[in-house]
Amino acid sequence: AQKVTQAQTEISVVEKEDVTLDCVYETRDTTYYLFWYKQPPSGELVFLIRRNSFDEQNEISGRYSWNFQKSTSSFNFTITASQVVDSAVYFCALCKTSGSRLTFGEGTQLTVNP
Amino acid sequence: DAMVIQNPRYQVTQFGKPVTLSCSQTLNHNVMYWYQQKSSQAPKLLFHYYDKDFNNEADTPDNFQSRRPNTSFCFLDIRSPGLGDAAMYLCATSREGGPGSYNEQFFGPGTRLTVL
Repeated sequence: AQKVTQAQTEISVVEKEDVTLDCVYETRDTTYYLFWYKQPPSGELVFLIRRNSFDEQNEISGRYSWNFQKSTSSFNFTITASQVVDSAVYFCALCKTSGSRLTFGEGTQLTVNP
Repeated sequence: DAMVIQNPRYQVTQFGKPVTLSCSQTLNHNVMYWYQQKSSQAPKLLFHYYDKDFNNEADTPDNFQSRRPNTSFCFLDIRSPGLGDAAMYLCATSREGGPGSYNEQFFGPGTRLTVL
């Protein structure tokens, strides 16, 4: 069985602070894919990043960075110099193979205050 | 722009009155998914089509059905909506299998269903 845990239900920061969203996963598969999605108040899930289990390189995209550590089954997401527009629910997700379900974590509500 | 489109964005129905939600995509993806997301919860997969093959999740109620008449369109039918079916319904697509497959699912804006 697969499971994704996002222990932080809600995080509140002040603009320009850095914030890290934690994600821990469980799977018995050797090949799998990890994702982060952003869900703003409008409701649409916006794809942010995909990582496969063989690629442990960390990635940086602008103010966003991701730290994938297979040894601890974690895939954490950091926003540097947060902005009010970053306020949203962020979901970490896992899937096994092509055409399979995404198993989502429960989401972290991030609020960035001006 | 290529995208996943869901209509309507907001749907109100009465208890027990059948309702259909629609999803279309211009991405030419071969897999289409329907997720249900209740308030403050994670999306939950109801079923998906891999090409023409329908794949139902084990815990999806029989009240929920789906049709995919062609690559571009997929419908979610709720035969007898109950109050507990009020939720956001998200459609997603992905390209799977063969060259260029990449697993990431692209989501539409969702349809928020209210059951009175």
